[in-house]
Amino acid sequence: ETGVTQTPRHLVMGMTNKKSLKCEQHLGHNAMYWYKQSAKKPLELMFVYSLEERVENNSVPSRFSPECPNSSHLFLHLHTLQPEDSALYLCASSQGTNNEKLFFGSGTQLSVL
Amino acid sequence: AQKITQTQPGMFVQEKEAVTLDCTYDTSDPSYGLFWYKQPSSGEMIFLIYQGSYDQQNATEGRYSLNFQKARKSANLVISASQLGDSAMYFCAMRDTMNSGYSTLTFGKGTMLLVSP
Repeated sequence: ETGVTQTPRHLVMGMTNKKSLKCEQHLGHNAMYWYKQSAKKPLELMFVYSLEERVENNSVPSRFSPECPNSSHLFLHLHTLQPEDSALYLCASSQGTNNEKLFFGSGTQLSVL
Repeated sequence: AQKITQTQPGMFVQEKEAVTLDCTYDTSDPSYGLFWYKQPSSGEMIFLIYQGSYDQQNATEGRYSLNFQKARKSANLVISASQLGDSAMYFCAMRDTMNSGYSTLTFGKGTMLLVSP
């Protein structure tokens, strides 16, 4: 079993749909992250959670809504997205928010039509 | 503000040869950390190697080594004896302190490495 698991692997949605991305880490870490990876752009940090508390929101539009019910699970709720939101969404975890080594999942490839 | 620059969009290397992937960085912090990650087509970002700014020696992890030149602000990744499975995107990253005081990683645009038989 991999350390960080993301579901679904692929998602196609219309602009009026509501969907959620799920991330689960089995490493006993207490910090979790959402990153967005668009074509030909560096990874962009979206949200950081430490001990289930959001500690960073990197100017992300409100159509992206994160949720961290416990230190092992992280969700990204999506609603009324735009085609430019199509990207690979990567979840990561770390031992703490000052421990630099991040462990990543395989990502969810999102296409917004 | 911190910045990571990877100037090579793509690199080709023959199997069993060594290859160097370039990374330069810009920071005013005296203490920082530099990372390399590999991203195969499966999408997962795999940690390869870490170099701390105060480390006296270049980091090594198996076939990976980091050529750290602090004065030039470069942290190039050297892969020795390339294998077909090394074909992937490679990202250089730096520890970044956010407004909240917590830290995370800032990534470069990446270099696509293709290893041929």
